[in-house]
Amino acid sequence: NAGVTQTPKFQVLKTGQSMTLQCAQDMNHEYMSWYRQDPGMGLRLIHYSVGAGITDQGEVPNGYNVSRSTTEDFPLRLLSAAPSQTSVYFCASSPGTVQETQYFGPGTRLLVL
Amino acid sequence: AQSVTQLGSHVSVSEGALVLLRCNYSSSVPPYLFWYVQYPNQGLQLLLKYTTGATLVKGINGFEAEFKKSETSFHLTKPSAHMSDAAEYFCAVSEVDTGRRALTFGSGTRLQVQP
Repeated sequence: NAGVTQTPKFQVLKTGQSMTLQCAQDMNHEYMSWYRQDPGMGLRLIHYSVGAGITDQGEVPNGYNVSRSTTEDFPLRLLSAAPSQTSVYFCASSPGTVQETQYFGPGTRLLVL
Repeated sequence: AQSVTQLGSHVSVSEGALVLLRCNYSSSVPPYLFWYVQYPNQGLQLLLKYTTGATLVKGINGFEAEFKKSETSFHLTKPSAHMSDAAEYFCAVSEVDTGRRALTFGSGTRLQVQP
């Protein structure tokens, strides 16, 4: 049971490039989400999904796209990277109800030059 | 909408001393409250959570927190700090009224433990 996995661990992009951050979970969790972590700001919700085929925007969705074709995978796409997207990105999953613990992946550190 | 305030971005204690990390929240509905810990270059790990029932919640590694509705607080404590407790700690509240089933996080408190 690997839990929540994220790839890559670290990535450097040039402004304007696109890329996909991968996230997968093997716990059969319905709910998955993406957060970004910036110094002094805690974690902020980018996008989330309550099940396969269903996604919605969080607090800071601009510049990011998501899709959820399977229960296991929830990739995050940066369409045209900007320096403001330099951050650490965390994927999380939970069984679904608001009381449930969210399980976090190890994170992807992204640097946009 | 919910919000979380963590007082003190950095807290330093001596090994063996009491750890107290403060968290206040605002919520228009009964909240579900969480403390997560993040060790360097790692993801977040759940320390403890309050959903319903007993207001004093015990978690892993000797930590506990008390939900005080009248003070809208959920402070994290540990009687005796250990060097391995050095990490960043995040208080979070569930977004029970938005339907997003997400967490709203505080800005974090970095705990330093001095030998």
